[in-house]
Amino acid sequence: ELKVEQNPLFLSMQEGKNYTIYCNYSTTSDRLYWYRQDPGKSLESLFVLLSNGAVKQEGRLMASLDTKARLSTLHITAAVHDLSATYFCAVYPVLSYNTDKLIFGTGTRLQVFP
Amino acid sequence: DTGVSQNPRHKITKRGQNVTFRCDPISEHNRLYWYRQTLGQGPEFLTYFQNEAQLEKSRLLSDRFSAERPKGSFSTLEIQRTEQGDSAMYLCASSLVGGSGGYTFGSGTRLTVV
Repeated sequence: ELKVEQNPLFLSMQEGKNYTIYCNYSTTSDRLYWYRQDPGKSLESLFVLLSNGAVKQEGRLMASLDTKARLSTLHITAAVHDLSATYFCAVYPVLSYNTDKLIFGTGTRLQVFP
Repeated sequence: DTGVSQNPRHKITKRGQNVTFRCDPISEHNRLYWYRQTLGQGPEFLTYFQNEAQLEKSRLLSDRFSAERPKGSFSTLEIQRTEQGDSAMYLCASSLVGGSGGYTFGSGTRLTVV
């Protein structure tokens, strides 16, 4: 069974602090996506990581992909309240048959407080 | 382009009734996907189309569910004889073949079965 696990599931952090969200997956993949979701809203694309060693940064967020370790990280630098949301990683599995779907992680609910 | 559009935004229905949702993808995208998201979980893949052809269906898509994309543009997802367990957010996404440019999600349709 394909599994995508994120940790932590819940993260409460103070403004100005740094933290990392981890995304581990159980299948072969060379493509990983990070999304943000606000309560009751849809998914906003943050990063598309397309190869081993890929690193992308946007504002206070930086994402990386290690396909050999089957691990992606989302690093938050100097958190601000506006970053409060749920963050999902999603893996594009390389399977033996033709498919085109994302396997989503469990999500990390981030709350940033003053 | 206004992105992926879904209608209605909210639907409340009585158990046993049929419901239909519509998705209008980004016009130049030839692939269209349906996902379901229950409270506190990540989205789960249901089905996807390339143009008008339905290429894959998840085991989650029971006989009561049917999806169509008749002209390769908009898509509909119908649920017959709704059950309380069908209550969820139904998300539509679109992409170009391969998905390397990412998957764009719509705002979703929230279904509540009472």
